[in-house]
Amino acid sequence: EVQLVESGGGLVKPGGSLRLSCAASGVTFSNAWMSWVRQAPGKGLEWVGRIRSKSGGGTTDYAAPVKGRFTISRDDSKNTLFLQMNSLKTEDTAVYYCTTLFYWGQGTLVTVPS
Amino acid sequence: SSELTQDPAVSVALGQTVRITCQGDSLRSYYPSWFQQKPGQPPLLVIFGENDRPSGIPDRFSGSISGNTASLTIAGAQAGDEADYYCQSRDISYNHLVFGGGTKLTVL
Repeated sequence: EVQLVESGGGLVKPGGSLRLSCAASGVTFSNAWMSWVRQAPGKGLEWVGRIRSKSGGGTTDYAAPVKGRFTISRDDSKNTLFLQMNSLKTEDTAVYYCTTLFYWGQGTLVTVPS
Repeated sequence: SSELTQDPAVSVALGQTVRITCQGDSLRSYYPSWFQQKPGQPPLLVIFGENDRPSGIPDRFSGSISGNTASLTIAGAQAGDEADYYCQSRDISYNHLVFGGGTKLTVL
């Protein structure tokens, strides 16, 4: 059974930083292209960014609203995906999902109060 | 353009067939994926590729595409199909992923 389990969410002040983790099991993580997708309260899905597998180049892409502030990385030895979020804004408040698009975690809530 | 446009809300009578549409330029080049999301749950992939369903998704769900418009068709709608549905594709210019705004399906 594939499991993606996010952690690291919480309350952070504007301008602060937070690091999310996503632990994967039941999937060949090293071969997986992994994305972060977020959902603001009551809103739709928004793609945040993606990291390719090492065999796919290991490169990253980011959505315009987070480019330069967020960094996606991976540790294939620990089957773990990361999202480093810096210079957080109120509009970053959302549930953050780790996903292969085929499989999704339950999400972790990040709150940046105004 | 990287945008995918969906109708905000659609309704269907119990047992009838409903089509949820998604429009965007990228759909001329890439097949979309479709996701179902129920309140408090993560999205669930229901259609990917030309018209493929993950294991466990009933064949009442099907996908099609014509020009820049993709459709998710649900035959014999059930109360359990009531959910938000999102299409997803790629941005042609930047190789980003993009989601439609979502369609709230109500089963009457």
